[in-house]
Amino acid sequence: NAGVTQTPKFQVLKTGQSMTLQCAQDMNHEYMSWYRQDPGMGLRLIHYSVGAGITDQGEVPNGYNVSRSTTEDFPLRLLSAAPSQTSVYFCASSYDGRAKNIQYFGAGTRLSVL
Amino acid sequence: ILNVEQSPQSLHVQEGDSTNFTCSFPSSNFYALHWYRWETAKSPEALFVMTLNGDEKKKGRISATLNTKEGYSYLYIKGSQPEDSATYLCACPSPDSSYKLIFGSGTRLLVRP
Repeated sequence: NAGVTQTPKFQVLKTGQSMTLQCAQDMNHEYMSWYRQDPGMGLRLIHYSVGAGITDQGEVPNGYNVSRSTTEDFPLRLLSAAPSQTSVYFCASSYDGRAKNIQYFGAGTRLSVL
Repeated sequence: ILNVEQSPQSLHVQEGDSTNFTCSFPSSNFYALHWYRWETAKSPEALFVMTLNGDEKKKGRISATLNTKEGYSYLYIKGSQPEDSATYLCACPSPDSSYKLIFGSGTRLLVRP
């Protein structure tokens, strides 16, 4: 059982480049989310989705776009990368997103923007 | 924005020591508290979700308590082992949406053999 799969594991971008971080889950979870983790800070929520076709903003959405066309996939797009977006990105999913349900995390994508 | 605070930031203990650390959160409008364990280069993994005042949960040598009236949770590790070395994160849902988890900055535990 794969769980939550993120690709790529590592990525280096130049300022202004765009890219998409992929996230897929095979647990039929309705809820999916993206976090970024920076040194000395906790995980900060970027965007989340409570089901296919529904997305909403988290704490730090600026500079990122998401879409949810299927239950399984929740890609995160950086339209014009900036050095401030250098971070480790985690995708997570849970059964329905309600706070009593645990979240399952992917292995992370380490992104450097030069 | 909900403020979830964890202390201490880091902790070094000797193998066999028992240890504990704290997660503090606003006591008003409490809904749930999550504890996650995050080893370097791995995914964070859920330890507990706690919802009721006075709740106590246990998983092996790790246990947690919850006091929603005063706004804190303790995580205890009994007889720490080097494999317990990790960052321990707690999180609560945001007051404006239970779909948004707000994480503390974590307690980094290092257990020396």
